[in-house]
Amino acid sequence: KAGVTQTPRYLIKTRGQQVTLSCSPISGHRSVSWYQQTPGQGLQFLFEYFSETQRNKGNFPGRFSGRQFSNSRSEMNVSTLELGDSALYLCASREGPGTDTQYFGPGTRLTVL
Amino acid sequence: GIQVEQSPPDLILQEGANSTLRCNFSDSVNNLQWFHQNPWGQLINLFYIPSGTKQNGRLSATTVATERYSLLYISSSQTTDSGVYFCAVGRTGANNLFFGTGTRLTVIP
Repeated sequence: KAGVTQTPRYLIKTRGQQVTLSCSPISGHRSVSWYQQTPGQGLQFLFEYFSETQRNKGNFPGRFSGRQFSNSRSEMNVSTLELGDSALYLCASREGPGTDTQYFGPGTRLTVL
Repeated sequence: GIQVEQSPPDLILQEGANSTLRCNFSDSVNNLQWFHQNPWGQLINLFYIPSGTKQNGRLSATTVATERYSLLYISSSQTTDSGVYFCAVGRTGANNLFFGTGTRLTVIP
């Protein structure tokens, strides 16, 4: 099976813009989670989607949002970008609730200038 | 959330040496994974090990859930083992993993 894929891999934006990142889970996996990794805060959970519904959300401002489509692909959106949003954004998939092992994609590296 | 502490933060080894990485967590968990982050940022699954011991080649891991710690053993290290190793924990039914700050391993030839 193909692994988790994320697009784009690299992105440069300026403050105030918005950005959309995409994640395609492993075939058959219905749960997608998003994480942010920064040097200062480490790896932090953003949110998880299952069956097109957000099941849990981390402690991030409302500028961070996401959605999941019927084919389990997920997108996350960050509006009104700030310098501090520069990070590696990682997507993980798992089969669904009740299964614990999460598999991560290669990430999208976002730089905000 | 669950606090996760990893030690040591940095480790430099000569090729061929063995090492032990430790992960302590602050609450009971029933999900624990070890990851290796490669230089390009991807997290590679090493073990899913909420309890017990597992081995995969030169790597093995042990989790003592009642004492809230896990150990990752790397034997006969190779330069390709370099990178950051993360421990992440969670609870079944909850949807998120709590990550430690990682151990940066450098293996020199």
